[in-house]
Amino acid sequence: KAGVTQTPRYLIKTRGQQVTLSCSPISGHRSVSWYQQTPGQGLQFLFEYFSETQRNKGNFPGRFSGRQFSNSRSEMNVSTLELGDSALYLCASSLEPAGTGELFFGEGSRLTVL
Amino acid sequence: KNEVEQSPQNLTAQEGEFITINCSYSVGISALHWLQQHPGGGIVSLFMLSSGKKKHGRLIATINIQEKHSSLHITASHPRDSAVYICADGGGSNYKLTFGKGTLLTVNP
Repeated sequence: KAGVTQTPRYLIKTRGQQVTLSCSPISGHRSVSWYQQTPGQGLQFLFEYFSETQRNKGNFPGRFSGRQFSNSRSEMNVSTLELGDSALYLCASSLEPAGTGELFFGEGSRLTVL
Repeated sequence: KNEVEQSPQNLTAQEGEFITINCSYSVGISALHWLQQHPGGGIVSLFMLSSGKKKHGRLIATINIQEKHSSLHITASHPRDSAVYICADGGGSNYKLTFGKGTLLTVNP
C-alpha cells in the first residue's frame, strides 16, 4: 500500500514569489491535513480538508491557502513568500478527521525562501 | 487557547533504561497522539488514544482524562529509539491539532 507522497521534496524560492506544494494521500483516506514545522515554533497546524471541504484552519495569514480534489489529493499554496516561511511543510492523511484518526505523514517539502 | 506541554525537553539515557515522557494539555480532547520523528526523517504515528492505556512492543502510552495528562513509556530502551517524541492534542470538537514542542531522546549504547 503506497504511503503519503509529497512533492516537491525540496525547493528554493525568493521573497515575493509563490509556491504550490502537493500531497497525495493513502488510497481511501478522505482527510488531508497540512502542518508547518520550524525550529522555533515546532509543528503548527495549517488546515485540514475532508472530502474536498476545508474543515479547519490554523492561525496563519491568508497567504496560506489550500484545496482538495475529488481524488483526495491536496495542494497548498503560499503567496508573496516571506523569509519566515522557510520551513518543512508536512501533510498527513487519515481515514477520519485529523483530530480523531490515526495520522500518516508524508516526508515533507522543505522550502527555503531567500 | 489550547496548550500542550511536554517534559522533559531533552532526555539522555543508557541503553536498557526505562524512559518516561510526559504530556499535559489544557482543554478537552478528542484524542491524544504520540508521534516519533527521527533526525532528518519523517513523522510516524505511535499511538492515538482517548482513554486508558495502549501497548505496542516496548512502547506504552497512558492517558488520564481527569488530570489532562498522558505519558509515553519506553521499556528496555535502545539506541534506535533515539528520536524526537511529540504529543499532540486532537483538539476536542474543533479537531484542530495542537502540538507539544517535543522531547529529544538520546539513548547511548
